[in-house]
Amino acid sequence: EVQLLESGGGLVQPGGSLRLSCAASGFTFSSYAMTWVRQAPGKGLEWVSGISGSGGRTYHADFVKGRFTISRDNSKNTLYLQLNSLRAEDTALYYCAKDYVGNIPDTFDVWGQGTMVTVSS
Amino acid sequence: QSALTQPASVSGSPGQSITISCTGTSSDVGSHNSVSWYQQHPGKAPKLMISDVSNRPSGVSNRFSGSKSGNTASLTISGLQAEDEADYYCSSDTSSSTLVVFGGGTKLTVL
Repeated sequence: EVQLLESGGGLVQPGGSLRLSCAASGFTFSSYAMTWVRQAPGKGLEWVSGISGSGGRTYHADFVKGRFTISRDNSKNTLYLQLNSLRAEDTALYYCAKDYVGNIPDTFDVWGQGTMVTVSS
Repeated sequence: QSALTQPASVSGSPGQSITISCTGTSSDVGSHNSVSWYQQHPGKAPKLMISDVSNRPSGVSNRFSGSKSGNTASLTISGLQAEDEADYYCSSDTSSSTLVVFGGGTKLTVL
């Protein structure tokens, strides 16, 4: 069974950092681009960052502005998102998602259950 | 403000058909065929319903169909069922530095 399991969320003060992880199983992880999508409480989906299967190409939403870094360890079947300089508006449920067909992280057929990030003093 | 514009809500009775629109620009929907639709039930992760404008992934009911004309994509659900009640989001590739943009979401109510 294809599964994604996120971890690493929590409560952090403004300006703080967190590292989110997404453990993948049930598919050839290195063959698929991966993505982080977030959803603020009661709000819609927002694409955050994506990465190619090899990890050689990364993509970020404009609002990231160098604060977040996406990476992956294909030997561990794990996707990461390093969150720095966090702001209150980054408070959201962060989902990792698998790309549907291949190497461009733009269509997401498998989603985790999300990990909650709360930025508050 | 979301990059793609969707109606906040639509409704229909069981058995009826409804259409949800997703309006973008020539930089996203109008120039890319990587338009997708997702269904999200409360407290659940999104589910891919349509990819590449009109393709249904395996396991998705053929009551769901997608199309595109110009800068506007559409999701049509025919033969509405109670379990279709959910939030629906469109997404598209974009020519900007942000690879993917989502719509603001549409709440479907089955009356």
